[in-house]
Amino acid sequence: QVQMVQSGAEVKKPGSSVSVSCQVFGGTFSSYPFAWVRQAPGQRLEWMGRIFPPLGTTTYAQKFEGRLTITSDKSTSTATMYLSSLTSEDTATYYCARVRSQWLVSGFDAFDFWGQGTVVTVSS
Amino acid sequence: DIVMTQSPDSLPVSLGERATINCKSDQSVFYDSNNKNYLAWYQQKPGQPPKLLIYGASTRESGVPDRFSGSGSGTDFILTISSLQAEDVAVYYCQQYFSPPLTFGQGTKVEIK
Repeated sequence: QVQMVQSGAEVKKPGSSVSVSCQVFGGTFSSYPFAWVRQAPGQRLEWMGRIFPPLGTTTYAQKFEGRLTITSDKSTSTATMYLSSLTSEDTATYYCARVRSQWLVSGFDAFDFWGQGTVVTVSS
Repeated sequence: DIVMTQSPDSLPVSLGERATINCKSDQSVFYDSNNKNYLAWYQQKPGQPPKLLIYGASTRESGVPDRFSGSGSGTDFILTISSLQAEDVAVYYCQQYFSPPLTFGQGTKVEIK
């Protein structure tokens, strides 16, 4: 069974950066795309971007272009999300999620496994 | 961006009764080339990540009880819980994965009447 374990909660100052990691166990990390989705308190889920680890190719939501970077490390089966220039509006729970289709180089599909979520709080 | 709108926002249903949630997209999420709707439904309980219930508008994910079903095509979709159980109390989201940015509905909170 696939298990996705995320790093712990973070408290950050406005203007700083945060990284959240997601280690994948029990699945073939190198053949699935992975995405990052966030959920601000009381808000709907928001897709941020995705990575395809075999090629390292990424697609980002335009809203986050320039301050979001998603990377992957096949040796540790880990995907990492880096978000810079934080503001209070970035306070949210951040989830990694596996895209359900293998070898989906550039397309999109639903998310079949999710990490437990990482709470990021941005406050002065 | 494709805007997803769900109705109602809150749905009180008696145990054993049917729950119906609507989801509307402001653009079609149907791909003519493969005859598929790029629409998923998720269930989220407090303090937990979302759980995939339905993809392709109507295909139940493995392990999901058959009281959950999805229907619709193009821009209008429905999630039905045929006989509500206590464990179904949650917020339900629809999501389009037709084109980026992938977008979600605002959620429908299902509770026991």
